[in-house]
Amino acid sequence: GQNIDQPTEMTATEGAIVQINCTYQTSGFNGLFWYQQHAGEAPTFLSYNVLDGLEEKGRFSSFLSRSKGYSYLLLKELQMKDSASYLCAVRDRGGNNRKLIWGLGTSLAVNP
Amino acid sequence: DTGVSQNPRHKITKRGQNVTFRCDPISEHNRLYWYRQTLGQGPEFLTYFQNEAQLEKSRLLSDRFSAERPKGSFSTLEIQRTEQGDSAMYLCASSSARGTSPLHFGNGTRLTVT
Repeated sequence: GQNIDQPTEMTATEGAIVQINCTYQTSGFNGLFWYQQHAGEAPTFLSYNVLDGLEEKGRFSSFLSRSKGYSYLLLKELQMKDSASYLCAVRDRGGNNRKLIWGLGTSLAVNP
Repeated sequence: DTGVSQNPRHKITKRGQNVTFRCDPISEHNRLYWYRQTLGQGPEFLTYFQNEAQLEKSRLLSDRFSAERPKGSFSTLEIQRTEQGDSAMYLCASSSARGTSPLHFGNGTRLTVT
């Protein structure tokens, strides 16, 4: 079956570093996305990985290991505004986003 | 480019009424998607358009739901004879035809059926 696992909740302190993990089991793989979603708002695109390794974009980095079916999102120098839900989504085949499989999201609380 | 725009932001309706939502995608994006999201869940795929053609519709979608994209630009999602279980956030997203293109979401329409 198709499945994506993420921790439900995480807590971290302002200025710290936090790593949000995502594991997936899908019939195929053609890319993994991370989205940020604040309460009551739409998801916002953060990063995309299709090859193994680390993609860095400012304070946010995303890592992928296809052989392990594993990704993580790394958030550095945490700010209060980073409190949000972080969604992992896998495109299981083709280049079309209608085949995205979504995790339930990890709710991150950043405390002062 | 002002991003994906959805209207209305909120809609409260009584059970049995029909509702229609509108989505204006990013202008150069030819792919448009409708999703539904409830609290604590990831987005659930509803339907997909490439230009004006509706290429896929989720099997989870009952025949009370219909979507159109008549000129390949804006899209509408109509729900007929609404039920309380239809209460959710309805998200529209668009993307380009590039393989790596992510979804760009609108701010959604929150539907409450009383």
